[in-house]
Amino acid sequence: NAGVMQNPRHLVRRRGQEARLRCSPMKGHSHVYWYRQLPEEGLKFMVYLQKENIIDESGMPKERFSAEFPKEGPSILRIQQVVRGDSAAYFCASSSRQGRMNTEAFFGQGTRLTVV
Amino acid sequence: DAKTTQPTSMDCAEGRAANLPCNHSTISGNEYVYWYRQIHSQGPQYIIHGLKNNETNEMASLIITEDRKSSTLILPHATLRDTAVYYCIVRERTGNQFYFGTGTSLTVIP
Repeated sequence: NAGVMQNPRHLVRRRGQEARLRCSPMKGHSHVYWYRQLPEEGLKFMVYLQKENIIDESGMPKERFSAEFPKEGPSILRIQQVVRGDSAAYFCASSSRQGRMNTEAFFGQGTRLTVV
Repeated sequence: DAKTTQPTSMDCAEGRAANLPCNHSTISGNEYVYWYRQIHSQGPQYIIHGLKNNETNEMASLIITEDRKSSTLILPHATLRDTAVYYCIVRERTGNQFYFGTGTSLTVIP
């Protein structure tokens, strides 16, 4: 059973370009979380999604950032018109649901975005 | 919002038990205690979680006080590969996010 898969592992973008980060959850998991970690800082929650629904986007910047988790395929975190301050590690986690309970979340190895 | 308090850093001798404390005095009845760790710049790794009973798995033991206001993560025989930042998190099972505070930086010393 493969773990949470994120790709690419490293991504370099020039200022103004778009960055697309992909996350394939663990098999059987229908919940995805995205976190951002700036250099030398802690993990900050960005968004929580279920299949085809955004449940909590309280940590998402209001502009340029969007996330989706379609019925088929991976979850995508999209950053438009990247700026140097977007350089960070972006981690995805997934969990499953048991009744109304969310199970523990398992994290991928992250995508390191560098904006030059 | 930080619901937990952890020491900033700790050292532990290799082969000894590492006991990492966590205070969560405002924990509510339906909130669980989770522990994760992050080794260097890797993705956080799930360790263990519990509600009110002590828990043990192949990685660690979790001891939760009777009043549930604090807990201790125990790594029974620390190795150099256990050097990491350890995060104690309280969260409802129906909750949306895991809030990562600053954690405890554990250094295992040879």
